[in-house]
Amino acid sequence: AQRVTQPEKLLSVFKGAPVELKCNYSYSGSPELFWYVQYSRQRLQLLLRHISRESIKGFTADLNKGETSFHLKKPFAQEEDSAMYYCALEFNAGNNRKLIWGLGTSLAVNP
Amino acid sequence: DGGITQSPKYLFRKEGQNVTLSCEQNLNHDAMYWYRQDPGQGLRLIYYSQIVNDFQKGDIAEGYSVSREKKESFPLTVTSAQKNPTAFYLCASSRDSRTGELFFGEGSRLTVL
Repeated sequence: AQRVTQPEKLLSVFKGAPVELKCNYSYSGSPELFWYVQYSRQRLQLLLRHISRESIKGFTADLNKGETSFHLKKPFAQEEDSAMYYCALEFNAGNNRKLIWGLGTSLAVNP
Repeated sequence: DGGITQSPKYLFRKEGQNVTLSCEQNLNHDAMYWYRQDPGQGLRLIYYSQIVNDFQKGDIAEGYSVSREKKESFPLTVTSAQKNPTAFYLCASSRDSRTGELFFGEGSRLTVL
């Protein structure tokens, strides 16, 4: 069955340190993967998607099909990066597309 | 200002009462979704609608109902049959159902007393 796993519920780093939020998925076809972010008192919003291969707010994520991973990385964390991060997988389900979510990782960047 | 508007932000309800959460979008999106967000459980899909006058059950539809009479509106009713209704509810929309790029509302927090 398709699944998205974010192994860390909580990740705490110091400002300026590198950060990596892990996301692993299980899907045998061609996945589309997303990272969404929810800052305190703000709405959940798309951070980046693998097909766009962009860097948003200094974050990047590379799809590794061999390891079935889509880890989110930033070389130097900032306090304003503190938020809840969700990884999501979109795939074909019959005639429809389906989106499933990881349980989220809460990132705390300490001064 | 384009986007998704959910109301009310906070709602209290007595057990046994139905309550309806409003979700309106002016993005001209075809698809709309309702999710429930509980601590430690991520986002769980309640109902979704790919087009006006059509909707499908998600993973946790029991105790909920929806309607999609207008493209811009997708209200969710939490019925008295929902065993654990206290939660944070998120509405979202997307251009169509074939994209995982969702736009979310600010959420509605329902507390059952």
